[in-house]
Amino acid sequence: GNSVTQMEGPVTLSEEAFLTINCTYTATGYPSLFWYVQYPGEGLQLLLKATKADDKGSNKGFEATYRKETTSFHLEKGSVQVSDSAVYFCALSDPPNNNDMRFGAGTRLTVKP
Amino acid sequence: EPEVTQTPSHQVTQMGQEVILRCVPISNHLYFYWYRQILGQKVEFLVSFYNNEISEKSEIFDDQFSVERPDGSNFTLKIRSTKLEDSAMYFCASSHQRQGRGANVLTFGAGSRLTVL
Repeated sequence: GNSVTQMEGPVTLSEEAFLTINCTYTATGYPSLFWYVQYPGEGLQLLLKATKADDKGSNKGFEATYRKETTSFHLEKGSVQVSDSAVYFCALSDPPNNNDMRFGAGTRLTVKP
Repeated sequence: EPEVTQTPSHQVTQMGQEVILRCVPISNHLYFYWYRQILGQKVEFLVSFYNNEISEKSEIFDDQFSVERPDGSNFTLKIRSTKLEDSAMYFCASSHQRQGRGANVLTFGAGSRLTVL
């Protein structure tokens, strides 16, 4: 069945460091891929998305490229800030094979000044 | 920016008690969802709701669970007789479209943490 596997955390970085959070997926069809972020005390917010192979989603300096050949959607940011500290969730939806959105386990990122 | 609000933020209950978690979705959204996340585990789909009825549910959503939209604004999740393993963060979400259609985006609430003792 469909699933998402995410890099385990927690991840601790210094400000301005480069960030990569790995995400790979298994899907029957042609899923759409998402990264959601959860800041402390808040809900899950959409960070970026990609709907087909080779699409690049980007937002707030974060990027992720939909790689069909490696079934991956790794999240990257060139220079993290303290305000990026949050939990990041990779997710996919794959209609009509699965009508529910599948999430990864989440990766907690802490950025230290 | 419109948001999904959930209450309570944290509830502690005794095993066997009934719990109702409340959600106010975004006002012009048509589809509503509940997800849960057991500590340290994945965010799991529970149920989706459209046009005043359940449209889909997962195997987790057994007879102990029910959902209701009692008025035009609230969307509730009821657990009739809580078990220890129901302890989790429960997220409500809403969307314009049915989940999974194209790049349909769900807007999530901040979650309600349920602790069953």
